[in-house]
Amino acid sequence: DVKVTQSSRYLVKRTGEKVFLECVQDMDHENMFWYRQDPGLGLRLIYFSYDVKMKEKGDIPEGYSVSREKKERFSLILESASTNQTSMYLCASSVRVQGRYEQYFGPGTRLTVT
Amino acid sequence: GDSVTQMEGPVTLSEEACLTINCTYTATGYPSLFWYVQYPGEGLQLLLKATKADDKGSNKGFEATYRKETTSFHLEKGSVQVSDSAVYFCALPLDSNYQLIWGAGTKLIIKP
Repeated sequence: DVKVTQSSRYLVKRTGEKVFLECVQDMDHENMFWYRQDPGLGLRLIYFSYDVKMKEKGDIPEGYSVSREKKERFSLILESASTNQTSMYLCASSVRVQGRYEQYFGPGTRLTVT
Repeated sequence: GDSVTQMEGPVTLSEEACLTINCTYTATGYPSLFWYVQYPGEGLQLLLKATKADDKGSNKGFEATYRKETTSFHLEKGSVQVSDSAVYFCALPLDSNYQLIWGAGTKLIIKP
């Protein structure tokens, strides 16, 4: 079974703090993703990475950065947390199956910025 | 461009009722289609998929048929249980890269 783990299930940080969210997958997948999920807004893609040290902006990259130094690990960084970044953050990795990519998700990190 | 439209929720049903959650899409070509489920407090899991027109995906009593004539992939279950309470997402892979286009999600509430 594919396993995607996230470093924390719940996190509380103060405004202005630098926040690191870590994601690790154990299936040697090339592609990894960070989403945020908010009520009424569904899933929104923040960043994705298709290889080590490679990254691309998603739909809402502002206020975030990412790091992928090793294939299995994809980190999301909030340089200076703000209250509007309070959200559920979901990490995913993907693999090509029968010509199409399927995504596998971690359990999510619920971040509260106060 | 490609898009996915899902019925809005929440959908509230009694146990053993029949379920249909509508999903329609616009896309170039004939992509695969997915349904994901998110149980309370958890991440998303792939529930079922169909890789070509007229395919039927099924899992855990849920079914969805890929209908290219109506560009639809509706999720159905004949008799729902309280444990089916979750948020369901329809998704479409982009032809050009690794991303998925997501529906807005439909929250399903099953009452005993």
